[in-house]
Amino acid sequence: DIQMTQSPSSLSASVGDRVTISCRASQNIGRSLNWYQQRPGKAPKLLIYAAASLERGVPLTFSGRGSETNYTLTISSLRPEDFATYFCQQAYSAPYNFGQGTRLE
Amino acid sequence: NLLESGGGLVQPGGSLRLTCTGSGFLFSGYDMTWFRQAPGRGLEWVSTISNRGSDTDYADSVRGRFTISRDNSKNTLSLQMDSLRAEDTAIYYCAIRHRGSDRTFQWFDPWGQGTLVTVSS
Repeated sequence: DIQMTQSPSSLSASVGDRVTISCRASQNIGRSLNWYQQRPGKAPKLLIYAAASLERGVPLTFSGRGSETNYTLTISSLRPEDFATYFCQQAYSAPYNFGQGTRLE
Repeated sequence: NLLESGGGLVQPGGSLRLTCTGSGFLFSGYDMTWFRQAPGRGLEWVSTISNRGSDTDYADSVRGRFTISRDNSKNTLSLQMDSLRAEDTAIYYCAIRHRGSDRTFQWFDPWGQGTLVTVSS
């Protein structure tokens, strides 16, 4: 199984800040990496797929990059509604494991 | 739109059947997936079924106990859960699986609102 290590587990930031979340895979996943946002009591919402493709309707303040085993999600300027938990997911091979999550507070 | 139902309280060793009803899209055109999230915990992939129902895959933690199926005539996805354990307690979500044109990449969106399964005596 491919293990996903996400960091940091929590991040303190303010509106307008630029933040970056990292995700490392235990093996090369060839950019098969998705990012999700989850607000309290809600289902996860897709932000980024294939490492860098922005899902329709997601603000341009979100961006993803990376290759092989190392990936990042960047929010260029935090808005109040961005304070949530973020998960990475490898979609290279089953089981499609997730990172432990990063709580942005 | 995806709407899960069927969650509830069940005793260890018991069974439960979850249903996910799709609307607003061509249900039979998409592979479907179940995920789960234990209270206060991370996300776990559970099972995926192909659009026609011919191919299925399961996480090791549920293989042999859970069965995924679908009825395209009713736009429904099901998860039959048998021999339930305390560690199966979680919110269960269904989601659509999308694939890129060359099938290299896949992603899951949207997700339903989830249904809570509690396994406890």
